[in-house]
Amino acid sequence: ILNVEQSPQSLHVQEGDSTNFTCSFPSSNFYALHWYRWETAKSPEALFVMTLNGDEKKKGRISATLNTKEGYSYLYIKGSQPEDSATYLCASLSGSARQLTFGSGTQLTVLP
Amino acid sequence: GAVVSQHPSWVICKSGTSVKIECRSLDFQATTMFWYRQFPKQSLMLMATSNEGSKATYEQGVEKDKFLINHASLTLSTLTVTSAHPEDSSFYICSAKDRVTGANVLTFGAGSRLTVL
Repeated sequence: ILNVEQSPQSLHVQEGDSTNFTCSFPSSNFYALHWYRWETAKSPEALFVMTLNGDEKKKGRISATLNTKEGYSYLYIKGSQPEDSATYLCASLSGSARQLTFGSGTQLTVLP
Repeated sequence: GAVVSQHPSWVICKSGTSVKIECRSLDFQATTMFWYRQFPKQSLMLMATSNEGSKATYEQGVEKDKFLINHASLTLSTLTVTSAHPEDSSFYICSAKDRVTGANVLTFGAGSRLTVL
């Protein structure tokens, strides 16, 4: 994998459902994986920065896992609420790069 | 928490004019700011890295004479789109690294949508 890829591109879930989405990134020279939450008309907000294989981080109902060997990260949202509706961006930083490479995001809509 | 103020949030201009977009770090000092461009349905693409007091570093394919970046102080970076054309219409967004807390987390502005008629 040369680019950062996110799937699905968009997702609609009912309030109360749990959901997850995927970020795939180049596994060679991996340094860090970032997740951001981006609400419409606002600034992207940092959720997690993950660096170690097997890392698992949690913030309220949102959690993320990291597999650096195979180059993927999952973001989970438990019991989705309408206020979780946003675009979730991941970005990877490799040892050879000076900057983050972003995926195109997963747009989540939680229906009341 | 750290806040980056970006303005204008949207701008419409005529072809051939120049447009300046500002990003200010409100409660921290940003030695490094990043400028991105995003076309519809695509990823944020880094255009340039701006370091306070020195010339910006541009990514491959980004014209430095067209996209002028100035980072004259630790709290302000500007992007000027010179002689804008309709193909420059896009969403432009900045992010900043806190000089004190360092590398890992970026603080973003809310972005600027440019439409060139």
